[in-house]
Order: sequence, then structure tokens, then C-alpha cells
Amino acid sequence: GEDVEQSLFLSVREGDSSVINCTYTDSSSTYLYWYKQEPGAGLQLLTYIFSNMDMKQDQRLTVLLNKKDKHLSLRIADTQTGDSAIYFCAETYSSASKIIFGSGTRLSIRP
Amino acid sequence: DAGVIQSPRHEVTEMGQEVTLRCKPISGHDYLFWYRQTMMRGLELLIYFNNNVPIDDSGMPEDRFSAKMPNASFSTLKIQPSEPRDSAVYFCASSPRTGDSYNEQFFGPGTRLTVL
Repeated sequence: GEDVEQSLFLSVREGDSSVINCTYTDSSSTYLYWYKQEPGAGLQLLTYIFSNMDMKQDQRLTVLLNKKDKHLSLRIADTQTGDSAIYFCAETYSSASKIIFGSGTRLSIRP
Repeated sequence: DAGVIQSPRHEVTEMGQEVTLRCKPISGHDYLFWYRQTMMRGLELLIYFNNNVPIDDSGMPEDRFSAKMPNASFSTLKIQPSEPRDSAVYFCASSPRTGDSYNEQFFGPGTRLTVL
């Protein structure tokens, strides 16, 4: 069945790297996404990766996909206070029009 | 484009009252989604529409909830009667049709509902 799991909280020091992990169960996933939700706002697409890729880099963001283990991670380099938010892992698969979201990981930054 | 527009941004009502939440999707988007977010249950998909037609309403909690999309630029989510456990942030999102399963959803700012 469809299930996306994430840890609920992560705390990192400003300037360090943050790594947010996610596992999913549907092996037919075609796209996997990371959405960001800032306080008081809706979710916004941060980045995505197609299932035939294993890595994608976009400035401070690196997405790693391990299809064998059904594991997705988001690394944020040089974490800043503006990165404080909830990060949602999500997937779509070929037969569906909807996105399956994880529970979200709340990232907090300490000085 | 102004993005997805939701109204009201905040709603406080008393138990038993009818509540109507409104959404204007991004022009040209074929899909519209209603979500509910709470601390306890996280983000839940309630219902989604394709070309104004409801496709999957399996997430609607119970008969007190109903959603309509009378045209491509407007949707409502109605709760009647409302209960305290309906207190949550309700998001509307829209997405364009694509040639494959890629699905970027654009979220509105949400309506924070408090039922006393």
C-alpha cells in the first residue's frame, strides 16, 4: 500500500548540514518530492527527483534516492535560520493523480 | 498569477454552525485538492477534483463534510454541522495536467478553522 514515513523532528546547528530522511513503500513510485512548509503558509515544492535517478543537486540541496531500500534523503548544506520549516517527503506513481505525503519533519536551527 | 486563493484565512465558529471554505485555483490548472492539517494527524487529503469532477473523496471524514466545484475557478468545502474536532488548517491546492505522473501541487495559504 501507499505509505511514506519520516521522523518528526530534527535540530541542527546553524552552518551545519541537515539531512532529512524518508522511506516509502510503493516500488512503482515514479517521482519523489520534497515540499517545504514555512510557518503560517502552505506547502511549496522544494525539489523533486525522477525514479530512474539516484542523485540530484540544486545549489545547497542534494537529494539522494536509494530505490533498492526505498529510501529518500534531503541534504541541506550550510543550514541557515531561514531553513527552519517543516519538510514533507512525497511520492507519485504512474496510476494516480494524487501525491502521497509523509508526516513532515520539523527542522529547527540552533545558534 | 496570484496563486491559489483561499477565504477566509481565519474562521472561528461555534459547534453546530455551518462552515464554508472557499478556494480559487490557479487559472488553467485541471486538478484541485482539499487537505486538512492537524498536529495529531498531519496532512490528510480529503478530496480531489479533475476538470471539476470529484475523483476521490475517500478522505472525507464523514457526511458532515461536502465539497463542490461548480466551475473551473471555484470550489467550496462545507462542514455542517461543525464540531470542535474539525478545528484544523484546511488547504486547497491545484495542479496542472502533465503528460506523465509528475505532479507539482500549488498550495493556498490555508484557512485556520476553530470550532468552539
